[in-house]
Amino acid sequence: DAMVIQNPRYQVTQFGKPVTLSCSQTLNHNVMYWYQQKSSQAPKLLFHYYDKDFNNEADTPDNFQSRRPNTSFCFLDIRSPGLGDAAMYLCATSRPLGRTYNEQFFGPGTRLTVL
Amino acid sequence: RKEVEQDPGPFNVPEGATVAFNCTYSNSASQSFFWYRQDCRKEPKLLMSVYSSGNEDGRFTAQLNRASQYISLLIRDSKLSDSATYLCVVNADTNAGKSTFGDGTTLTVKP
Repeated sequence: DAMVIQNPRYQVTQFGKPVTLSCSQTLNHNVMYWYQQKSSQAPKLLFHYYDKDFNNEADTPDNFQSRRPNTSFCFLDIRSPGLGDAAMYLCATSRPLGRTYNEQFFGPGTRLTVL
Repeated sequence: RKEVEQDPGPFNVPEGATVAFNCTYSNSASQSFFWYRQDCRKEPKLLMSVYSSGNEDGRFTAQLNRASQYISLLIRDSKLSDSATYLCVVNADTNAGKSTFGDGTTLTVKP
C-alpha cells in the first residue's frame, strides 16, 4: 500500500552520465515535489508541479530538469551529474486545501552516487 | 537570516526526560506549520501539524505563536525510539506550494 514510490532506491552513475529518477503516487495529489538532501542538511526544494504547472526554484541548476507526464508520475533528470550532485533525492506529494498547502507525503528517496 | 531557524542541537537526553525544540520563521504571511520526523537515511514523515490553538498527540505537544513567529515541540517522557531528527516546516501561501524546511534538530535519547 505504498503511496509515494521512488525508483530506483539506489542509483550509481558516472560523472557526466545522464540519469533519470522516477516517482509515482497513488494519492492523486495535485502537487509533486523534488527535493535534494545531503548529509546532515535539510531537504532543499529543487522544483514542484502544481498539476501541470512547473515551478522552478531560482537556485536550482539548469542541470536538473523535470517532467510530469500525468498526475501519477514525475521524473527528475540530471543531465550531467557532477560529484556534488551525490545526495538523497526525495519526491513528495501534497493536496492543497483551498489556498492552504497541506502536509507532504514523502517517498523513500533515491540515493544517488556519482563516481 | 534563514527563513526557518531551529535550535541547532544536538540534544542528548536520558529516557523519561522532557525536551523542547523551538523554531522561528521570518515570513509573517506563513499559513501552515508542521513538525516532521526523519530517521537516519529515511524519508521525513509527518509528526504533527501545528494549529493556532496548539495541539497535543500523546506525549507530543506543538504550539504556535504567530505574534512572535515561532513554533515549538515538546516531548514528554522521552523514549529511545524518539531518537531522530526533527524538522520544522513552514508553508507560506504567498509562495504557492513551497515548503521551507529548517535544518533540523537531532535528538538522541539514551538509556
